[in-house]
Amino acid sequence: GAVVSQHPSRVICKSGTSVKIECRSLDFQATTMFWYRQFPKQSLMLMATSNEGSKATYEQGVEKDKFLINHASLTLSTLTVTSAHPEDSSFYICSARRQGARGANVLTFGAGSRLTVL
Amino acid sequence: QKEVEQDPGPLSVPEGAIVSLNCTYSNSAFQYFMWYRQYSRKGPELLMYTYSSGNKEDGRFTAQVDKSSKYISLFIRDSQPSDSATYLCASYSGGGADGLTFGKGTHLIIQP
Repeated sequence: GAVVSQHPSRVICKSGTSVKIECRSLDFQATTMFWYRQFPKQSLMLMATSNEGSKATYEQGVEKDKFLINHASLTLSTLTVTSAHPEDSSFYICSARRQGARGANVLTFGAGSRLTVL
Repeated sequence: QKEVEQDPGPLSVPEGAIVSLNCTYSNSAFQYFMWYRQYSRKGPELLMYTYSSGNKEDGRFTAQVDKSSKYISLFIRDSQPSDSATYLCASYSGGGADGLTFGKGTHLIIQP
C-alpha cells in the first residue's frame, strides 16, 4: 500500500529559528502533496498545495514567506517554518496523491510532525 | 457556519457497545464522504468512504449517508479499546486543492 513518511515526528526549537519538515512518498510518485496544520481539538486546515517542479499554491491567510515549500522531486516535499514563533507551535501533517490518481480516496497522509516553539 | 460540523466529544462508551458518530454538512455539492481515524499524535488514516446516499459496511464499521438531511454517520459494532481514537468525517467535492473539507473530529474513548 501507499506509504507517506514524515520527518521529524517531533521537533522543539527556539523562537526565531527555522525548522524544516520532510514529507516522502515511499513507494509511489506524487506530483501533488498537501500540507495541513492541526491545532489541538481542531480540524485539519489545508495550508498549501505542493506541486512537483513548480511553485506551491497557498491557501488564503497562509504566509508564503513564512512557510516555505519545496517539491524538488516526485517523492519529496519539504515545509520550512521560517523565524518560528510560539504561535506556530502545532501539528503539521502532509498528504500525497499518487501520480495520475483522481478521486476522493487517493490521498495518503503522513504521521505528522509536532512542532513546539519555545 | 463551517461546511462540516462534528461534535468534538469526548465520547466515552464501555467496551462492546455500539458507537454512533455523526456529522452534518451544508454544501450540496459534496458527493463523497469519508471517515478518517486518527490516533493520538499520528496522521489520519482513511477508514471508509461512500459515494452519495446509502450504507457501506466493512467488518465492524458501517458508514451511512443521508443526502436529504445532509447527515453522515459511522457506526462501530462490538467496540474495542483499540478503537479509541479521534474520528474525522470529511466531504469531498472534487473542487479546490485537495477537495476535502474536514470536520473537527470526535474523540472516542472505549472503556475496557
